[in-house]
Amino acid sequence: EVQLVESGGGLVQPGGSLRLSCAASGFTFSSYDMHWVRQATGKGLEWVSAIGAAGDTYYPGSVKGRFTISRENAKNSLYLQMNSLRAEDTAVYYCARFDTSSWYSKWGQGNLVTVSS
Amino acid sequence: QSVLTQPPSVSGAPGQRVTISCTGSSSNIGAGYDVHWYQQLPGTAPKLLIYGNSNRPSGVPDRFSGSKSATSASLAITGLQAEDEADYYCQSYDSSLSGWVFGGGTKLTVL
Repeated sequence: EVQLVESGGGLVQPGGSLRLSCAASGFTFSSYDMHWVRQATGKGLEWVSAIGAAGDTYYPGSVKGRFTISRENAKNSLYLQMNSLRAEDTAVYYCARFDTSSWYSKWGQGNLVTVSS
Repeated sequence: QSVLTQPPSVSGAPGQRVTISCTGSSSNIGAGYDVHWYQQLPGTAPKLLIYGNSNRPSGVPDRFSGSKSATSASLAITGLQAEDEADYYCQSYDSSLSGWVFGGGTKLTVL
């Protein structure tokens, strides 16, 4: 069974840093592109970052230069390093498996990040 | 404002048919990029409902169907059931933004 389990969320002050992790199991992690998607409370879904199976990375303008996505295939793990956090980064962050360069086939349960003083 | 536009809400009685639209532009749906749909039940993570415009993953009832034309896509749900009450999101790729985009989401209420 495919499983994605996020960890590392919590409360952080504006300007602070946080590192999210996503542990994958039940599939060949190294063969898949992986993404982070976030959802503010009561709001819609927003793509946050992507990493290809080859390690290429992509970001939207809203987080570029502040967030860094990475992966460690030997540990079947995905990471999101978030720096210079802002109140508007407050959201539930999901890691998701990305299939055929097009759709999100599996999602983690989500991890809440709260940026507040 | 989301790049893909969905109605904020739709509703229908049990057994009825409802449709949810997803309107894009020439840089996403109109450029030929596929549209995918997700169902998010209250308090849970999104779940893939339709991929590649009209394909259902294993386990998704055939009451759910998707279509795409020009710069828009639609999700249809027939034989509405109480358990279908959820938020629904469309998703595609946008070449102008060089990134993946979602619709704003549609809340389905089963009356």
